[in-house]
Amino acid sequence: NAGVMQNPRHLVRRRGQEARLRCSPMKGHSHVYWYRQLPEEGLKFMVYLQKENIIDESGMPKERFSAEFPKEGPSILRIQQVVRGDSAAYFCASSPGQSGEKLFFGSGTQLSVL
Amino acid sequence: AQSVTQLGSHVSVSEGALVLLRCNYSSSVPPYLFWYVQYPNQGLQLLLKYTTGATLVKGINGFEAEFKKSETSFHLTKPSAHMSDAAEYFCAVTSASGGSYIPTFGRGTSLIVHP
Repeated sequence: NAGVMQNPRHLVRRRGQEARLRCSPMKGHSHVYWYRQLPEEGLKFMVYLQKENIIDESGMPKERFSAEFPKEGPSILRIQQVVRGDSAAYFCASSPGQSGEKLFFGSGTQLSVL
Repeated sequence: AQSVTQLGSHVSVSEGALVLLRCNYSSSVPPYLFWYVQYPNQGLQLLLKYTTGATLVKGINGFEAEFKKSETSFHLTKPSAHMSDAAEYFCAVTSASGGSYIPTFGRGTSLIVHP
């Protein structure tokens, strides 16, 4: 029973390029959360999705960031025209239901913008 | 609205000593409370959680936490620290918001264990 899989583990982009972060939830989980972690700042909520629906994107910047969780395939967090300030660790978590009682986290994607 | 405050970004203890990591929360409705642990280069793992019922909850690796509503606290303790406990610890709160439960995390406390 594989856990939450995130790839790539490390992603290097130059300013202005696009970054695509992938997250495959645990089998049977239909709820996905994306968080961003900066040093000394803990985890900041970005977006919460169910299959084919964005439930809450209140933590996601209005521009350049988007997320999807299609019926088939992984959830994707997409960052267009990356800037140095986007450098961070991005974590995905999944849960079987919407109660948020227990989240299962992936190992994260470390995005570095040069 | 909900929020979490973790007092102390770093806590240092000797091996065998008591571990106490502090967490205070704010929530307008009855909360669910959690402690997660993060080891270097890994994602977060659930240590323990409080939803309803008994206010003293036990988790993995000998950790426990007590929900104190009057103090809005959920401090994490372990009687005797082990070297392998060195990690980052996050307190989190979840409560219903528009029908969905989205955990809010504190800034984290780095636990350092000295031999």
